[in-house]
Amino acid sequence: AQSVAQPEDQVNVAEGNPLTVKCTYSVSGNPYLFWYVQYPNRGLQFLLKYITGDNLVKGSYGFEAEFNKSQTSFHLKKPSALVSDSALYFCAVSRRGSTLGRLYFGRGTQLTVWP
Amino acid sequence: GAGVSQSPSNKVTEKGKDVELRCDPISGHTALYWYRQSLGQGLEFLIYFQGNSAPDKSGLPSDRFSAERTGGSVSTLTIQRTQQEDSAVYLCASDEAGYSTDTQYFGPGTRLTVL
Repeated sequence: AQSVAQPEDQVNVAEGNPLTVKCTYSVSGNPYLFWYVQYPNRGLQFLLKYITGDNLVKGSYGFEAEFNKSQTSFHLKKPSALVSDSALYFCAVSRRGSTLGRLYFGRGTQLTVWP
Repeated sequence: GAGVSQSPSNKVTEKGKDVELRCDPISGHTALYWYRQSLGQGLEFLIYFQGNSAPDKSGLPSDRFSAERTGGSVSTLTIQRTQQEDSAVYLCASDEAGYSTDTQYFGPGTRLTVL
């Protein structure tokens, strides 16, 4: 079975400081991993994904994520947070080797960046 | 280009009534997904359409839920005899081919409130 855990419901960080939003996964075989962001009353926006290759993936709005196979993690990071980064962040996994592209989502982490 | 669109953006209905939610995927995308986002349940997969293949209905919570996709494009999610627990945001997503490596693009959602 595929599952994703986001251990923190909320993350608070001051503007200009680095931020990390944590994600761990459990899948059979190698995973495909995704990060999405949701602003209030909006749908999910794609940030980045890991398919294969370099473990450090760079995405939209200055975000990056590092795939760590030994720790089964895919934490989202940004070197310098902005107030506008405040939103709900979702980690998701899809099943490698499957033609079924459905995503399994974590429960989300609310990021608040204060000025 | 145009993204995924959904209508209506908000729907308030009385318990026991039927509702129809519409999704217009990105032009050329052959795969279409419905998810439900509710408090306490996170993001749940409902149903998946890929080209002319039979849909994957494994996520539908009850037989009151059904969906169709006409002409490989627009999809309608129908909920019959709505219940209060159906209150949620219904999100539609599409991607190019339905592979587990593809990026899903989400619409803004329909917020359903059952009184």
